[in-house]
Amino acid sequence: EAQVTQNPRYLITVTGKKLTVTCSQNMNHEYMSWYRQDPGLGLRQIYYSMNVEVTDKGDVPEGYKVSRKEKRNFPLILESPSPNQTSLYFCASSFREVSYNSPLHFGNGTRLTVT
Amino acid sequence: GNSVTQMEGPVTLSEEAFLTINCTYTATGYPSLFWYVQYPGEGLQLLLKATKADDKGSNKGFEATYRKETTSFHLEKGSVQVSDSAVYFCALNNFNKFYFGSGTKLNVKP
Repeated sequence: EAQVTQNPRYLITVTGKKLTVTCSQNMNHEYMSWYRQDPGLGLRQIYYSMNVEVTDKGDVPEGYKVSRKEKRNFPLILESPSPNQTSLYFCASSFREVSYNSPLHFGNGTRLTVT
Repeated sequence: GNSVTQMEGPVTLSEEAFLTINCTYTATGYPSLFWYVQYPGEGLQLLLKATKADDKGSNKGFEATYRKETTSFHLEKGSVQVSDSAVYFCALNNFNKFYFGSGTKLNVKP
């Protein structure tokens, strides 16, 4: 089954403790991206990657890192999480050119709480 | 810059009522426009899309027309069902970046 898999689904951590949220897709997509969803703000793009070893900042990259060493994986790293990073995070992927036949495919989300 | 504005929710309708969710955008160049739907506990799924002015996207009875003159992409459905209850997001894609609206929650009552 074609899917984007994020782990974990829920994560509670403390300020300053490094964490990684994993994202993996099995559709051979070149494009992968991370978003955070906050009430009243919708989804905001954190980082995206057009292909292996190619990453770029979205609208809200501060406090986050990503890497794209393999085509299928795109982990999101919070080196020193802070409470304002408490949010619902989504990973998404697509073929290089988003089209009607290749929309963004989303994972089921990771709810992160930083205390 | 690029941005999407959609009507605040929640929108509550009775089954078989007509639905309109307004969406307007600001963009440089020629963006593609999308509607995504999010069911509880799930990620977003593409509902429909339009790539250029005057294109009409349609799927599952939902429609939206790309209006460049009014910079709008309003979502419509003639007769909603209880199963349409979800959060709807308007979005644009410009130069490989996606911009989403804040989402509109739709509640359909039997």
